[in-house]
Amino acid sequence: KNEVEQSPQNLTAQEGEFITINCSYSVGISALHWLQQHPGGGIVSLFMLSSGKKKHGRLIATINIQEKHSSLHITASHPRDSAVYICAVRSNTGNQFYFGTGTSLTVIP
Amino acid sequence: NAGVTQTPKFQVLKTGQSMTLQCAQDMNHEYMSWYRQDPGMGLRLIHYSVGAGITDQGEVPNGYNVSRSTTEDFPLRLLSAAPSQTSVYFCASSYWGVRGRTGDGANVLTFGAGSRLTVL
Repeated sequence: KNEVEQSPQNLTAQEGEFITINCSYSVGISALHWLQQHPGGGIVSLFMLSSGKKKHGRLIATINIQEKHSSLHITASHPRDSAVYICAVRSNTGNQFYFGTGTSLTVIP
Repeated sequence: NAGVTQTPKFQVLKTGQSMTLQCAQDMNHEYMSWYRQDPGMGLRLIHYSVGAGITDQGEVPNGYNVSRSTTEDFPLRLLSAAPSQTSVYFCASSYWGVRGRTGDGANVLTFGAGSRLTVL
């Protein structure tokens, strides 16, 4: 069973397009992370959410706790946004982290 | 600089050889963990620890050993490397439980830079 499901698995966009990546989870959580991994690179945390919405530059993350769903939006996408985006949640019972399999984003100039 | 230091970045082994991946953090995090990342599989938990002297198995523990003698260090040992252990390995750390911590800091999750291991 997968505690965290992401969609789409792969995404190709033209530069400037608005992008949405979705994450659904099945466990109770204390926090949700959106992670970014560039090809051959390390994993960095873009956002940590426990409620509501956060914005960093062109990136916006939202979470709906009741519906167990989060979205990552990228406005005015750029080729440097090309990366794998991973949704991770921290269980509020066992404190474990569960990870989605990632969304591979390619932004074409 | 505060963070997770993971070494080596690259390693090539022959089948049957042993090695240790090092992981150290200086953020006083109780929770440390090792993951392997394979194409199409996402991050899979190998072993984790919630404090010095405490370790437990994750989803894919076979062929790997860990120990946690200090809060800072959490090495991953491959006892007899196999080609199936060819992967990218990540160490990550976090606080364990809120324990009076408030705000986003309680749930921070920090990764090491990764180690690419090839077993021939």
